Amino acid sequence: DAGVIQSPRHEVTEMGQEVTLRCKPISGHDYLFWYRQTMMRGLELLIYFNNNVPIDDSGMPEDRFSAKMPNASFSTLKIQPSEPRDSAVYFCASSLGLAGRQFFGPGTRLTVL
Amino acid sequence: GENVEQHPSTLSVQEGDSAVIKCTYSDSASNYFPWYKQELGKRPQLIIDIRSNVGEKKDQRIAVTLNKTAKHFSLHITETQPEDSAVYFCAAGGGGFKTIFGAGTRLFVKA
Repeated sequence: DAGVIQSPRHEVTEMGQEVTLRCKPISGHDYLFWYRQTMMRGLELLIYFNNNVPIDDSGMPEDRFSAKMPNASFSTLKIQPSEPRDSAVYFCASSLGLAGRQFFGPGTRLTVL
Repeated sequence: GENVEQHPSTLSVQEGDSAVIKCTYSDSASNYFPWYKQELGKRPQLIIDIRSNVGEKKDQRIAVTLNKTAKHFSLHITETQPEDSAVYFCAAGGGGFKTIFGAGTRLFVKA
């Protein structure tokens, strides 16, 4: 198995632009998580899905952020419009079971100018 | 909801010494306690985990202890090596609840 796959690995965009981050979880995992990591705020859980259904989006910072999981092998995190304070590393992770070991993707480093 | 506190935020040790990182959690329903290591520029990776039916677990130089009564769990690294330098995250979850991560401990091992 290739593990959790994320794209792009790096994204540089200008303030106001739409950004879409993509994730392919490990096949067979029923939970998918989106995290944001910054020096100031550490590792924050944004949202997680169970069997493609969003369960808890309480960590999504504001309405500019949205996430979807149209099928078991693909999820997106969208920021529209992006702002400089959204600059961070965004990780996707998947697990078998809510309390299962989480496997993280390589992350997407987002820079908003 | 669950709250996980992790101490210290930074830890510096001499190569060969032991390192201990401590965490506390608030939700007594939590029953799964993983530890992740994140090297600079890389993703967090699980290094060891423990479930609440076990008080201690060891894997070579790494051990984790759990005190459910006090809601404490700790990571112990013995005979530290420079390659142990990284950020370590504790987490608590299970019991039907999502896993919550601590703020992380930056460990420096000086050669």
